[in-house]
Amino acid sequence: SQKIEQNSEALNIQEGKTATLTCNYTNYSPAYLQWYRQDPGRGPVFLLLIRENEKEKRKERLKVTFDTTLKQSLFHITASQPADSATYLCALTQGNSWGKLQFGAGTQVVVTP
Amino acid sequence: DTEVTQTPKHLVMGMTNKKSLKCEQHMGHRAMYWYKQKAKKPPELMFVYSYEKLSINESVPSRFSPECPNSSLLNLHLHALQPEDSALYLCASSQAVPGGVGYTFGSGTRLTVV
Repeated sequence: SQKIEQNSEALNIQEGKTATLTCNYTNYSPAYLQWYRQDPGRGPVFLLLIRENEKEKRKERLKVTFDTTLKQSLFHITASQPADSATYLCALTQGNSWGKLQFGAGTQVVVTP
Repeated sequence: DTEVTQTPKHLVMGMTNKKSLKCEQHMGHRAMYWYKQKAKKPPELMFVYSYEKLSINESVPSRFSPECPNSSLLNLHLHALQPEDSALYLCASSQAVPGGVGYTFGSGTRLTVV
């Protein structure tokens, strides 16, 4: 069966450090992978999309890597701030299709001053 | 306008009630989605509409009935729900194109079935 796995344990990190989150998947052959941020009681917010032919993508303090051989994506938040505290969700679809976007369970990040 | 608006924000309904959730977007997106999210779980896809036509139903029970009256509106009609249907119901929209696009989500409707 298809699985998207993210570290279920909360990541506690000190302000200013880099947070690194992992997303592993099985039985998917995604053409692209997405990352979302979700705050309690709110809908997910789209952050970044990376395609299979892109090794790395950056947006401000965020960096995503995508390794289709390892079936893994890494999500980095550099110079983390308390406002970055949230749950971060990895999401993908099979192949290049759209519509059936499936989410991982997410990793909670807590940034302390 | 870059938002997806969902109403109501909170809804409490009895198991014999009929209610509707509403979702609206004015970004010109031709794909719209309903997701269900339980506490501490990821959003689960329920329905996908493409160009106002239902394209994906993820084996959702018939007590949930989606409707897409036009390209900006998406409804979810609820009837004879069970307490286990209590959850955050999220609407999202996106461009209806292959190649990968981000979704825009609403803030959700917190549904409690009593």
